[in-house]
Amino acid sequence: QSVLTQPPSVSGAPGQRVTISCTGSSSNIGAAYEVQWYQQVPGTAPKLLIYGNHRRPSGVPDRFSGSQSGTSASLAITGLQTDDEADYFCQSYDNRLSGYVVFGGGTKLTVL
Amino acid sequence: QVQLVQSGAEVKKPGASVKVSCKLSGHTLSETPIHWVRQAPGKGLEWMGGFHPEQNEMIFEPKFQDRVTMTEDTSTDTAYMDLSRLTPDDTAVYYCATPSADFWSGYPRWGRGTRVSVSS
Repeated sequence: QSVLTQPPSVSGAPGQRVTISCTGSSSNIGAAYEVQWYQQVPGTAPKLLIYGNHRRPSGVPDRFSGSQSGTSASLAITGLQTDDEADYFCQSYDNRLSGYVVFGGGTKLTVL
Repeated sequence: QVQLVQSGAEVKKPGASVKVSCKLSGHTLSETPIHWVRQAPGKGLEWMGGFHPEQNEMIFEPKFQDRVTMTEDTSTDTAYMDLSRLTPDDTAVYYCATPSADFWSGYPRWGRGTRVSVSS
């Protein structure tokens, strides 16, 4: 049971927009800890996609965007491409155990 | 360019221990804490612990606290994660990763992972 809750799967056609939600609580996202998003292609290590709720590391296309409100965060992907098919994980911190790292259970994105 | 090179796959029997290494290049361990994250087959990411620079100590996910030891050899810039009393539920890929410079912005760098299989 992950501390952050994500939908198990989402799907969309090439060119479409999809969003992935990440729901936490008052001890993590709601406590103003920022949210990160990772993309993981099966068999490879996770790749940081979004940090600080909405910031993109160098090299990440602006088709990927993040937002946060209250105890939840979202990752939006526009102009879906077949290469976007992967697992996506949100991550934040939890103050019940100071400085502890928490992850969402992951969302499988299928590009139809 | 920061790189993390992990040790090879391991096969262990229940009750045994495993020690995974993670060699840092492009930075030194004194500048860059190492954290450990695992992923069981078909499952999500699970944080295990690592060095917290603000608290100046190792911090652990409580479920691992009594079984895991995380050490660092600054002479070789290599971090180690030792997990004892293994069960089949510990079968997973174990990743080392470096937190962001401010600690609070996730993990920009990851090793390729070390597969640990536990079976009788």
